[in-house]
Amino acid sequence: SAVISQKPSRDICQRGTSLTIQCQVDSQVTMMFWYRQQPGQSLTLIATANQGSEATYESGFVIDKFPISRPNLTFSTLTVSNMSPEDSSIYLCSVRSRGSGYEQYFGPGTRLTVT
Amino acid sequence: GENVEQHPSTLSVQEGDSAVIKCTYSDSASNYFPWYKQELGKRPQLIIDIRSNVGEKKDQRIAVTLNKTAKHFSLHITETQPEDSAVYFCAASNAGGTSYGKLTFGQGTILTVHP
Repeated sequence: SAVISQKPSRDICQRGTSLTIQCQVDSQVTMMFWYRQQPGQSLTLIATANQGSEATYESGFVIDKFPISRPNLTFSTLTVSNMSPEDSSIYLCSVRSRGSGYEQYFGPGTRLTVT
Repeated sequence: GENVEQHPSTLSVQEGDSAVIKCTYSDSASNYFPWYKQELGKRPQLIIDIRSNVGEKKDQRIAVTLNKTAKHFSLHITETQPEDSAVYFCAASNAGGTSYGKLTFGQGTILTVHP
């Protein structure tokens, strides 16, 4: 499976500020996704990061709050904008490799605390 | 959209016993059902998956069964060991459709295996 890294691994931010999270994969992948995992909860899809075009957002998530970029097949960023304490979560990217496989693998996550 | 229900929310077993976690899904177009294991502070790890054209799949001590008619699938762990203690998530997706394989997760099951 692909090796996935995320930066930063954790951060503590003040409300009203923004944080950009990076996701890097060591090989080209077809699909990249961004998920949120609130404390003690399951994973919720924020958006699908499309290469060279605008991301596809899930219900309840908007581009102004969570702008996403995917400039190539191995890299994506998620920005959490104008943060509030409710944004405190783990943010994970996941990838689906090229080829016919359906498997998705997760990055190590970014633990965000907003004070 | 897809909705995945997972039961039980917590499961406590003695070492050596079997554990079963059940999930139901709502979208008949879903055709891929992975299971993830998440240890504390770690990323979700894919442990087994099944496609809709298969009724059962086994990998050593873990197995997954799928009933498409009833729209439910289950994870079976035999001869449980303390290191199986973790949170387990089921998920469903339409891997070949226009959703590009985005995963909808169940709520998670906290499995505790007592020595």
